[in-house]
Amino acid sequence: DAGVIQSPRHEVTEMGQEVTLRCKPISGHNSLFWYRQTMMRGLELLIYFNNNVPIDDSGMPEDRFSAKMPNASFSTLKIQPSEPRDSAVYFCASSTGTVNGNQPQHFGDGTRLSIL
Amino acid sequence: QKEVEQNSGPLSVPEGAIASLNCTYSDRGSQSFFWYRQYSGKSPELIMFIYSNGDKEDGRFTAQLNKASQYVSLLIRDSQPSDSATYLCAVDRGGADGLTFGKGTHLIIQP
Repeated sequence: DAGVIQSPRHEVTEMGQEVTLRCKPISGHNSLFWYRQTMMRGLELLIYFNNNVPIDDSGMPEDRFSAKMPNASFSTLKIQPSEPRDSAVYFCASSTGTVNGNQPQHFGDGTRLSIL
Repeated sequence: QKEVEQNSGPLSVPEGAIASLNCTYSDRGSQSFFWYRQYSGKSPELIMFIYSNGDKEDGRFTAQLNKASQYVSLLIRDSQPSDSATYLCAVDRGGADGLTFGKGTHLIIQP
């Protein structure tokens, strides 16, 4: 079975540019999570969707970040405008969990983002 | 504020010995507990999950949970060099909050 698929694997862009990260969850999973990982802060939850509806976006650092899930098989995380401090590895994960959680999450390979 | 604490390590263990990884959490309402393994440059991979007090065994791995002490651990028996990685503890309250991760313990298995 295909796992969580993220694209691109690597992204290098200049400060001020728009960045769009993409994620395809595991088929049948109804919860989707976006995380950011840095050495300093570890793995941080940015936003969480259940049945395509954003449930908790309290981890989104600021208005420059936005996420959408137009259907059950696709989600995007957009940064506009990007800044050097946004450089990190961004992971997407999915699970069969309900809004009440409790189900293991499976991670994609991540997007390594570098903002120059 | 929910917190998950892990010793960052590195924790060095000789090959064949038992590696013991520990995690404490601050939110008494936490219901589900997960251990992920992350190799350098790779994504987190689920190793174990545990919901109830006590021990749960899966092959060489045993997860232990003590909700009264707010403590969860992972034991790796007969440790192998391929077990060398960062181990992330994650906690789920069960509401609409998602997982809270610790910063991980870097484990090194010495041949």
